[in-house]
Amino acid sequence: DAEITQSPRHKITETGRQVTLACHQTWNHNNMFWYRQDLGHGLRLIHYSYGVQDTNKGEVSDGYSVSRSNTEDLPLTLESAASSQTSVYFCASSEQESMNTEAFFGQGTRLTVV
Amino acid sequence: KQEVTQIPAALSVPEGENLVLNCSFTDSAIYNLQWFRQDPGKGLTSLLLIQSSQREQTSGRLNASLDKSSGRSTLYIAASQPGDSATYLCAVIKAAGNKLTFGGGTRVLVKP
Repeated sequence: DAEITQSPRHKITETGRQVTLACHQTWNHNNMFWYRQDLGHGLRLIHYSYGVQDTNKGEVSDGYSVSRSNTEDLPLTLESAASSQTSVYFCASSEQESMNTEAFFGQGTRLTVV
Repeated sequence: KQEVTQIPAALSVPEGENLVLNCSFTDSAIYNLQWFRQDPGKGLTSLLLIQSSQREQTSGRLNASLDKSSGRSTLYIAASQPGDSATYLCAVIKAAGNKLTFGGGTRVLVKP
């Protein structure tokens, strides 16, 4: 069965360190997204990609970057981790060029910055 | 800017009662709307996708309606069970670019 997986599931890091969260999907979807979920703010879009070599900023992109070198993967990098980036991060994917825009989500990565 | 609201934020019902969950959005020019379920500490599970041309979508005990002109969607869960306890999120998709804008969710507790 097709799926979308995130790793690690839990991560503790120190302020100022660079951290990369992995996202891998086997749906063969062109669209991939990164969201963060915080109490009081819900789910907010960080970055997204519509295909290989395409990346775009979402509403809360400061301090984050992504790269898309193949269809399956969209890693999220925190350039210099800050305590404000403590959150749960979700990766999602969906089809492009289709009325069926159903998005599928990974299980999430809980990141703590100390 | 699209805003999505889910009221109430929390809901408690006895087992067997029907659940009615509300989702409202400010910009009626949406492409599709999707309902999700999230269990504590878990990811989001897709429940139903309603295309903008549809008025409702059904899956088992779940039925979701969409009224674009009034900016509303409702998720009905018939004959609720304790296993239905979770947070339910709605998200609107404005265009075929497929970015989702989420509501804050409704946390549901079904008491045995």
